[in-house]
Amino acid sequence: QITLKESGPTLVEPTQTLTLTCTVSGFSLSTTGVGVGWIRQPPGKALEWVAIIYWDDDKRYSPSLRSRLTITKDTSKNQVVLTMTNMDPVDTATYYCAHRKHAFVFDIWGPGTVVTVSS
Amino acid sequence: QSVLTQPPSVSAAPGQKVTISCSGSSSNIGSNYVSWYQQLPGTAPKLLIDDSNKRPSGIPDRFSGSKSAASATLGITGLQTGDEADYYCGTWDNRLSAVVFGGGTKVTVL
Repeated sequence: QITLKESGPTLVEPTQTLTLTCTVSGFSLSTTGVGVGWIRQPPGKALEWVAIIYWDDDKRYSPSLRSRLTITKDTSKNQVVLTMTNMDPVDTATYYCAHRKHAFVFDIWGPGTVVTVSS
Repeated sequence: QSVLTQPPSVSAAPGQKVTISCSGSSSNIGSNYVSWYQQLPGTAPKLLIDDSNKRPSGIPDRFSGSKSAASATLGITGLQTGDEADYYCGTWDNRLSAVVFGGGTKVTVL
């Protein structure tokens, strides 16, 4: 059974760096074809894709966020880490990590973690 | 402003049918498969339709998807109160090199 779970701070101050961890189980991050993505959702708003990392360490980023993002994986720990610099109140959102089924389809999602950016 | 356009809301009585449109362009829906997600209140999104018209295991056949040119449609028949949720379409945009989602449609069962 595939599961994902996000963890990280619930509150960050403006200009700080956010680090979120997605811990996965039921699959290996090194298996051919595997990908894990991050998607966020501001309160009351739509889903917004953030980034994705693949089994071969290939990475893709949202064009609007690319300059602030880094996505990495630790296969031995079954973790995917997303770093976002220079946080702003508009980055307040629920952040989800999700398992890539194929192409850019996400079939299993974590429960999400709420991040508030405020001083 | 989302790249994919969905109506903000649709509604119908129990047992009736609703359709949700998702309008895009040649660089996204026109070139790639569309997926649909259901988000029940307070929960994470759930994959509902894959490859524009395929239902993952466990998804009732009351849910259906179709695609034509640069638009896609999600249909829900036999509407139930448990179907009240937000629904999102998503695909890849070749021009943006990004996953794109619609703005979401809230389904209300009257």
